[in-house]
Amino acid sequence: EAQVTQNPRYLITVTGKKLTVTCSQNMNHEYMSWYRQDPGLGLRQIYYSMNVEVTDKGDVPEGYKVSRKEKRNFPLILESPSPNQTSLYFCASSPTGTEGRGNYGYTFGSGTRLTVV
Amino acid sequence: ILNVEQSPQSLHVQEGDSTNFTCSFPSSNFYALHWYRWETAKSPEALFVMTLNGDEKKKGRISATLNTKEGYSYLYIKGSQPEDSATYLCAPHHTGGFKTIFGAGTRLFVKA
Repeated sequence: EAQVTQNPRYLITVTGKKLTVTCSQNMNHEYMSWYRQDPGLGLRQIYYSMNVEVTDKGDVPEGYKVSRKEKRNFPLILESPSPNQTSLYFCASSPTGTEGRGNYGYTFGSGTRLTVV
Repeated sequence: ILNVEQSPQSLHVQEGDSTNFTCSFPSSNFYALHWYRWETAKSPEALFVMTLNGDEKKKGRISATLNTKEGYSYLYIKGSQPEDSATYLCAPHHTGGFKTIFGAGTRLFVKA
């Protein structure tokens, strides 16, 4: 089944304890992206990757890191989580990393609800 | 930052009502628009990808139109059902950038 897999689904952690949220897709998609969703604010883009080893900042990148060493994986790293990073996180992918990616709908993972206390 | 507006923010309708909502975006350099349906406790799912001015897409009771010259799209739901209750998101795409900006969504509640 074509899908984007995120883990974990739920995570409660303490301030300052490094964590990684994994994202993996099995569709050979070039473009991958991370979003956070907060009440009243909709989906905001954290980082995106147009292909292997090509990443760039979205609109809210502060406090996050990403890497794209393989095409299928795009982990989100919080080096020192803070309570303001408590949110619902989604990973998404699209077939092409070029500007033509708008011609394809995105496939989303099932989400990770992160709580930082 | 690209300005994407969705209205209304939320909508309460009765089962059987028809409804519509709007996504507005800058028309310059536009080339594609996505509509997503996002049910509570699930992940967003693509409904439509629209590219041409005057384009109309349909999926069951849900349809969408696109006006690229003035920068807006309408999503229509005919005969709303409780299972249509969800947040509907739009995401326009423009040339010259690789970020994706989503609208804040329209939250639809359909009462049986």
